[in-house]
Amino acid sequence: KQEVTQIPAALSVPEGENLVLNCSFTDSAIYNLQWFRQDPGKGLTSLLLIQSSQREQTSGRLNASLDKSSGRSTLYIAASQPGDSATYLCAVTRNTGGFKTIFGAGTRLFVKA
Amino acid sequence: DTGVSQDPRHKITKRGQNVTFRCDPISEHNRLYWYRQTLGQGPEFLTYFQNEAQLEKSRLLSDRFSAERPKGSFSTLEIQRTEQGDSAMYLCASSPLRGGIGELFFGEGSRLTVL
Repeated sequence: KQEVTQIPAALSVPEGENLVLNCSFTDSAIYNLQWFRQDPGKGLTSLLLIQSSQREQTSGRLNASLDKSSGRSTLYIAASQPGDSATYLCAVTRNTGGFKTIFGAGTRLFVKA
Repeated sequence: DTGVSQDPRHKITKRGQNVTFRCDPISEHNRLYWYRQTLGQGPEFLTYFQNEAQLEKSRLLSDRFSAERPKGSFSTLEIQRTEQGDSAMYLCASSPLRGGIGELFFGEGSRLTVL
């Protein structure tokens, strides 16, 4: 059974700081891994998707890496801004018996101005 | 294309009543997912469809929950005899199956409050 864990559960940083969010998963037989952002009371916005054959993806100030063999992914946010304050969720999609996607509990990020 | 649409956005009901949520996926997305999310937790998988076929249903889903996608387009999630523990955000997502990308696109969710 796939389990996804995100560390830390919450993080508060001053504006401008670079930061890393961690995601680990127990079953390396994944199809892809996705990072999402969720603002309070809202749906999820896709940030980055990494296919199982890829090592990393970049979008603007965001960089996500994937190490399938160790069951880990990191989301790097450069030069954080108050507008980055949100919950960041990691999700893995299995590659057997359908495409079920399992989420971690998320990291709540607060960037102080 | 306007993205994934969910209706209603908010629903307040009394315990024991039935409720139904609707999800309109992005057109031409053949996969559709339902998730439930409670405060401080990540989305919890409920069920998913490929076209009109329901391929998997979570064991966490009691018999009071049913989902349909009759023509492979929109989907409905019905909860019968609601309980206070059903209070949550119900999220719908759709996904294309082109080139094996499988990216999920979410709607804004339907928030259920059971009194």
